[in-house]
Amino acid sequence: DIQMTQSPSSLSASVGDRVTITCRASQGIRNDLGWYQQKPGRAPKRLISAASSLERGVPSRFSGSGSGTEFTLTISSLQPEDFVTYYCLQHNSYPPTFGGGTKVEIK
Amino acid sequence: EVQLVESGADLVKPGGSLRLSCAASGITFSDASMSWVRQAPGKGLEWVGHINSKTDGGTIDYAAPVKGRFTISRDDSKNTLYLHMNSLEIDDTAVYFCATSGLSHWGQGTLVTVSP
Repeated sequence: DIQMTQSPSSLSASVGDRVTITCRASQGIRNDLGWYQQKPGRAPKRLISAASSLERGVPSRFSGSGSGTEFTLTISSLQPEDFVTYYCLQHNSYPPTFGGGTKVEIK
Repeated sequence: EVQLVESGADLVKPGGSLRLSCAASGITFSDASMSWVRQAPGKGLEWVGHINSKTDGGTIDYAAPVKGRFTISRDDSKNTLYLHMNSLEIDDTAVYFCATSGLSHWGQGTLVTVSP
């Protein structure tokens, strides 16, 4: 199975800050990676597919980059509703595997 | 608009069985590959399994922890996905989500609690 190592597991930031979350794959996965946002008690919502394609309706402050084994999710200017948990997911090979999650907390 | 609605939440004893359902709308269900993903309380996301559309061969894959105990099926006439769970273990306690192909759209989830 491909292991997805997501870091950090948590971070503290302020409204307006720029933050970056990283996922590293244990082997190359091309750009077969998505980023998800999960609010408490809710289902995950996909923000980005194919490593860098923003889903329709997702604010442009979210962006993704990377290919192969290293990927990043960047939030350019944190808004109050962004202080939730984020996951990466690789679907290059079965089984699909998620990163461990990053909880973004208010400093 | 894609809508997925899971049902079947329950409290069951270890060794018991349960069937979850996922009713889909807003998609051509018969053409859709579908997945189940679970999340244990306070934990991360874990893929459970996947069923392809019949036109894509209808193949089914399972995660190792559930293989041999869980069965995924679909009824395209009812636009419904199922997860049949047998020999349930305490570690199967989780919110179970269904999702469309590529995990692009998710239901709201349904809670399965396995406890003596």
